[in-house]
Amino acid sequence: ETGVTQTPRHLVMGMTNKKSLKCEQHLGHNAMYWYKQSAKKPLELMFVYSLEERVENNSVPSRFSPECPNSSHLFLHLHTLQPEDSALYLCASSQGLAGVSGELFFGEGSRLTVL
Amino acid sequence: QKEVEQDPGPLSVPEGAIVSLNCTYSNSAFQYFMWYRQYSRKGPELLMYTYSSGNKEDGRFTAQVDKSSKYISLFIRDSQPSDSATYLCAMINTGGFKTIFGAGTRLFVKA
Repeated sequence: ETGVTQTPRHLVMGMTNKKSLKCEQHLGHNAMYWYKQSAKKPLELMFVYSLEERVENNSVPSRFSPECPNSSHLFLHLHTLQPEDSALYLCASSQGLAGVSGELFFGEGSRLTVL
Repeated sequence: QKEVEQDPGPLSVPEGAIVSLNCTYSNSAFQYFMWYRQYSRKGPELLMYTYSSGNKEDGRFTAQVDKSSKYISLFIRDSQPSDSATYLCAMINTGGFKTIFGAGTRLFVKA
C-alpha cells in the first residue's frame, strides 16, 4: 500500500448509528488532517493532528470524534449524525504542519450518506 | 466575505484551448499559494506551489500570484481531455498550518 488510504470508500448510515472512518498513511508523515468536502463548497478543515496531538478542532460538532493512536493512523468516529453531514470526508497527511511544507497528500475520501 | 473566492464553473473548452482559472482572496497574510487538481472520485493532488508574488511555470501549467490585487491564476496551455478535473486554489499564512481552499472550478476539455 502506498500514499494515504481511506476505508470505507462509501458508507450509508442512519441518524442513530455509530460508525467510524479510517485513514492510514504510508508516507512517514507526522501530521494528519480530516477535511469535509460538500458540493460547490470549499474544503472545510475539521481536525489537525501533529505528532499524535490534536492542534486544531475547527468548531466541529461533538457528533464527530477524532482519534489518532499513532502517526500513521487517524480515525473519525461518527454518532447521531444529521442528513446535512452527508459529504465526502477526506483524510490528508503532510511532513510537518502544512504551513512549512505547503503540500497535503490526500486519500480518495469516504463518501458518507446519512439517511 | 469568504476568505477565498473561486467560481465553481463548470468551464467547458475545446481541446488545445488556453484555460485561465482564478481565485481572489481577502487575507493579506497569505504567503503560500497552491493549486490542487481533483479528478472524479479521487482526492486532490498538488499541482503547483508558489511563495509570495510572481510566476511559476511547469510544462503546460503557469501559476501567477498578484498579492497587490489579492488575485491568483492558473493557466493551462494546449489543454487536453485528461486535464478535465476540478481545480482548487489554496493558500496558507506565513507560520500558519491551516490550508484554506476555494470551492474549486470544474473544467471540461472536449476532444
